[in-house]
Amino acid sequence: GAGVSQSPRYKVAKRGQDVALRCDPISGHVSLFWYQQALGQGPEFLTYFQNEAQLDKSGLPSDRFFAERPEGSVSTLKIQRTQQEDSAVYLCASSLVAVELTGELFFGEGSRLTVL
Amino acid sequence: KNQVEQSPQSLIILEGKNCTLQCNYTVSPFSNLRWYKQDTGRGPVSLTIMTFSENTKSNGRYTATLDADTKQSSLHITASQLSDSASYICVVSARDNYGQNFVFGPGTRLSVLP
Repeated sequence: GAGVSQSPRYKVAKRGQDVALRCDPISGHVSLFWYQQALGQGPEFLTYFQNEAQLDKSGLPSDRFFAERPEGSVSTLKIQRTQQEDSAVYLCASSLVAVELTGELFFGEGSRLTVL
Repeated sequence: KNQVEQSPQSLIILEGKNCTLQCNYTVSPFSNLRWYKQDTGRGPVSLTIMTFSENTKSNGRYTATLDADTKQSSLHITASQLSDSASYICVVSARDNYGQNFVFGPGTRLSVLP
């Protein structure tokens, strides 16, 4: 596609529900990042994939958060048993090159999660 | 701890005026510094990327500077337009075991009024 596509754009969940957020990166991009952005704050790193390998998941806030990119393209961020503090915008970004190079980061529009 | 600070937190200017946004960082080892523009409800869009050896880079009416010695960067916007109203985020990249670790600042919210 022309850019990074994320779905759904908006998700409202009841506390305790599981949610799945999808990221479709730019075709051929090697690197894929997930970020969490609270209102009025900068994005906070969650996890990083190089192709299908999850090389860094140090930013995932708890074991309720899980991300995968099984075929090295589309990625899914899953949040189990959602809590109110999970309410945020979840941004996905991709880059053509591996993260050790100075590549351009292209962001999606984000998925805004509201947990009631 | 790697940190990026930005000032001011918010800024209001009149259309046509210039402004300068500041970024201070304590990120090591430094790899590169990026400025992003984020419109409300949208994803960040890259404005500039600067490596250690670059001290200025322009993109239209946006000019970024980098002083690696003092660990400061600025983003200067010339002849502001209403469409410049957005958050501007400074991102500093540190080299780590996996290649690079991007540290995001909190952003400066700019409002341009007619």
